[in-house]
This record gives sequence, structure tokens and C-alpha cells, in this order.
Amino acid sequence: DSGVTQTPKHLITATGQRVTLRCSPRSGDLSVYWYQQSLDQGLQFLIQYYNGEERAKGNILERFSAQQFPDLHSELNLSSLELGDSALYFCASSGSGRGGSTDTQYFGPGTRLTVL
Amino acid sequence: GENVEQHPSTLSVQEGDSAVIKCTYSDSASNYFPWYKQELGKRPQLIIDIRSNVGEKKDQRIAVTLNKTAKHFSLHITETQPEDSAVYFCAADTGANNLFFGTGTRLTVIP
Repeated sequence: DSGVTQTPKHLITATGQRVTLRCSPRSGDLSVYWYQQSLDQGLQFLIQYYNGEERAKGNILERFSAQQFPDLHSELNLSSLELGDSALYFCASSGSGRGGSTDTQYFGPGTRLTVL
Repeated sequence: GENVEQHPSTLSVQEGDSAVIKCTYSDSASNYFPWYKQELGKRPQLIIDIRSNVGEKKDQRIAVTLNKTAKHFSLHITETQPEDSAVYFCAADTGANNLFFGTGTRLTVIP
């Protein structure tokens, strides 16, 4: 158990819908990262938050957005869902993420999103 | 941005043999190189990492080597066991805490 929690475990929805994925980082970690992993694919970095502020953006679609709240949990919002958005969505956390030196990222168990 | 290439994509070895997975990176500023193991449907788990000021690091049956000049790093697993079967991902980070992952290697250890 990495200490990072994600809810829900599974999510099944229809095209065009909107969903919210939730992540709670390890105790004391300030940075949260979101990744997308499609079937038999690698991990694609989506976005990073550090202490409530957006720190870095990767290949995140405009239909997707995220935020990190004062208690440091984060939510990833996916809207106007398409079949191709079906994937495992992982959240990871690290100690600082301020840049300059790299902290180990610890991954949560993931949310499996299925868009029908 | 950083580009990480990983080879091979699949690897089958007999139990007890060694397995080697290789990665190359493009950004000479990268200074942190973790390896993650992912079992089917599970989270990626860090198994070993190396920083650019070190050439080699070992942890029991697992070792990682780094060649900064050539911009490549490798994972070595000795005395493989069936429970080593999984997908292994390498990654590189320039210090901005953005991990760029390789495409993964599916390792199968045949009993």
C-alpha cells in the first residue's frame, strides 16, 4: 500500500457524460500528479499540482481539468467523454515537487474508467 | 521535452536466468531515473531508482546502471522468479518532477 488513495475504483459511464475522479495523497506529500494509461499502453502524464497550484501540464485534453484543494486532495474532471477516454487513471504523490531535485512518486491504485 | 525509449517490448526468460531491460533518454538534463513494476490491473510500484551522480545501484536481485555519456540506463534482474513476471517501466526526470515514461517491457518468467 503506497498511502495514496483513489476513488472510485471503477466507473462506467456513457459518451458525452462528465465524471470526477478523486485522489488523496500520502500524508505530508504536497504534489499530486495525474496519469492516463490506456489498454496496453504506457503512462501518459496529464497534470501536476503542488500545494494547490498547477505546476506542470502534459498531454491533457481541454475537456479534462483538475484541481487540488486546501486539504491537498485532488480531483480530475473529465467531460464530454468519448470512447477513447476509457483507460486507467492513476494519481501519484510526492513530497515536494518544487523542482530542482526529484522526489519519488508513489502511485495510487487507479480508477478504471469505461465509457460505453 | 524528454523522450524515453525502452527495449525490448516483451521478454521471456527461464526461471533462474537473468533479464535485462534497456532505456535511452534524449534530454541531457535528466538526472533521476526510476524503474516501476506493474502487475496486471495494479498500480505501478517503484522497485529501484538511480540519480545522475551514481553509475550503478543494487538492491538484492535488482540492479540499475546508468551511462550519462551515452544517455542510457538499464535494469538487471538476476535469478528471475515467476513472481518477477510483470510490465516494467523506466522513466526519466529533469528535476522538474515530471516523469517521462518508456513504453514498458512485458517480462515473462517461465517456470
